[in-house]
Amino acid sequence: DTAVSQTPKYLVTQMGNDKSIKCEQNLGHDTMYWYKQDSKKFLKIMFSYNNKELIINETVPNRFSPKSPDKAHLNLHINSLELGDSAVYFCASSPHSSGRQETQYFGPGTRLLVL
Amino acid sequence: SQELEQSPQSLIVQEGKNLTINCTSSKTLYGLYWYKQKYGEGLIFLMMLQKGGEEKSHEKITAKLDEKKQQSSLHITASQPSHAGIYLCGADIIGNQFYFGTGTSLTVIP
Repeated sequence: DTAVSQTPKYLVTQMGNDKSIKCEQNLGHDTMYWYKQDSKKFLKIMFSYNNKELIINETVPNRFSPKSPDKAHLNLHINSLELGDSAVYFCASSPHSSGRQETQYFGPGTRLLVL
Repeated sequence: SQELEQSPQSLIVQEGKNLTINCTSSKTLYGLYWYKQKYGEGLIFLMMLQKGGEEKSHEKITAKLDEKKQQSSLHITASQPSHAGIYLCGADIIGNQFYFGTGTSLTVIP
């Protein structure tokens, strides 16, 4: 019974391609997140999204776009992949985003390698 | 099953009190990271520990990785309201997979 799942687990692709990473949560949470983890294991938030608001980290290139077909899914679409996009991408969810701190539940991560 | 267990799940302390949060794994940890969750900013990196017995401090927060490299503790001395938040551990475990802990919610009462 996976709470937060991501597909694919591994993704190897050529520079310039467009790819998507899918995230699904079955926890009934209202808010979902995408993080990028670099080689030093630092986590950088890219987006947080609930049905009311999309918050974008201004340092994220506009080649990255979140797409949410419904409350349980937040997919990450990346256009024109670059070498520097290689990283592990984590999806997370939390019950809601109301200003209160809520524990985030993380997916297993997607390792993206751009050649 | 959860690869990394944190305890306690939540903690309420009076300002000025010391507290400890633990992160335990059933497997050897190759790198242990502590984060603090900050609303609107995601996870803020606090400290990284790699060697058994290693201890690091930043301001009033000290983290230690035990000798067997299967448990880490995060200790806050003389807690302040600014310490309130959710603390999360993350770790490199065998198989080059990164896992997150279950989170500890800290409330500091002025």
